[in-house]
Amino acid sequence: AQSVAQPEDQVNVAEGNPLTVKCTYSVSGNPYLFWYVQYPNRGLQFLLKYITGDNLVKGSYGFEAEFNKSQTSFHLKKPSALVSDSALYFCAVRDRDNAGNMLTFGGGTRLMVKP
Amino acid sequence: DAGVIQSPRHEVTEMGQEVTLRCKPISGHNSLFWYRQTMMRGLELLIYFNNNVPIDDSGMPEDRFSAKMPNASFSTLKIQPSEPRDSAVYFCASRKTGTGNEKLFFGSGTQLSVL
Repeated sequence: AQSVAQPEDQVNVAEGNPLTVKCTYSVSGNPYLFWYVQYPNRGLQFLLKYITGDNLVKGSYGFEAEFNKSQTSFHLKKPSALVSDSALYFCAVRDRDNAGNMLTFGGGTRLMVKP
Repeated sequence: DAGVIQSPRHEVTEMGQEVTLRCKPISGHNSLFWYRQTMMRGLELLIYFNNNVPIDDSGMPEDRFSAKMPNASFSTLKIQPSEPRDSAVYFCASRKTGTGNEKLFFGSGTQLSVL
């Protein structure tokens, strides 16, 4: 079985400061990892993904995430937060070696960026 | 492309009534997913289809829920009879398998309120 944990329900950051949203995962095989963002009253939007290759993945809106296999983590980061980054962030995993097709999401972390 | 299109955006109904949610995936995508989002349980996968065939419906909460995909461009999620605990945001998502991209595209969701 595969699972995703986002240990923080909410992360508060001041505008201009770096932000980190944590994610750890569990899969039996090798992972595909994703971050999605949900703005108020909107659907989920793709931010970035790790499939293979470089462990540091750069995505939309200046976000990046680092795949750490030994720690089974895929934390989302941004060097300088914007108020407009305030949203709900979801980490997701799929087992690359499993013939199934399911994406499992974490519970989400609400990011609040204050001016 | 218009993206994944869901209708209606909002649905308010009374307990016991039948509810039908609709989804039009992105043209050319061959996998379709129905997710439910609630405060308590986060994002849950209800069912997904590959090439119009249901692959895994283990996430469907009970027999009151059913989903169909009569063709590659249309899917429905039906709840009959509806109950207040079904109130949630229901998301449809689609992707094209076999490309190595793995990116999932979400619709804007249907906000369901069962009174």
